Amino acid sequence: GNSVTQMEGPVTLSEEAFLTINCTYTATGYPSLFWYVQYPGEGLQLLLKATKADDKGSNKGFEATYRKETTSFHLEKGSVQVSDSAVYFCALTNTGFQKLVFGTGTRLLVSP
Amino acid sequence: GAGVSQTPSNKVTEKGKYVELRCDPISGHTALYWYRQSLGQGPEFLIYFQGTGAADDSGLPNDRFFAVRPEGSVSTLKIQRTERGDSAVYLCASSTEQGHPQYFGPGTRLTVT
Repeated sequence: GNSVTQMEGPVTLSEEAFLTINCTYTATGYPSLFWYVQYPGEGLQLLLKATKADDKGSNKGFEATYRKETTSFHLEKGSVQVSDSAVYFCALTNTGFQKLVFGTGTRLLVSP
Repeated sequence: GAGVSQTPSNKVTEKGKYVELRCDPISGHTALYWYRQSLGQGPEFLIYFQGTGAADDSGLPNDRFFAVRPEGSVSTLKIQRTERGDSAVYLCASSTEQGHPQYFGPGTRLTVT
């Protein structure tokens, strides 16, 4: 079946540090990959996506590259801010299916 | 424009009672999804509507759960004979026919006592 595995949190960083949140997936066919973010007290928001191998999704300084050979979609940011503190979810949809399959989420805490 | 709205934002009910959760999608979005998020977990898919019909209900955990979307807009998730294990945040999302991105509502926090 389809599944997503994320690194456990919390990830605690100082402002301006480099961020990596690991995500690997298992899927049949040709999944599309997503990162969603949930800020405190807010709903889930799409952060970025990639729909085919070697695509790079980017938004708000965050990037993730769809790596089919390693079945990974790691989230990176070069310099985090306090305002990036949130829970980040990696997710996929598979060919012909609309439902999102989510990982368990990784909490990021950024201190000044 | 208005986003996805869900009502109520919080619902506390006693074990065995019936509850209805409402979702108002973004105007013009033909696809609507329900997910359930337990504490410390990612959202889990429940059901997906394309228009008025349920295109995929494979995530509904048992026959106590039912959802409708009679006019292809507002949807109601119905839970009969609630159990404490049903306690979670129920999320609704909508999208255009192409399926993505999905826009999520703020959720309804259901607590079964």
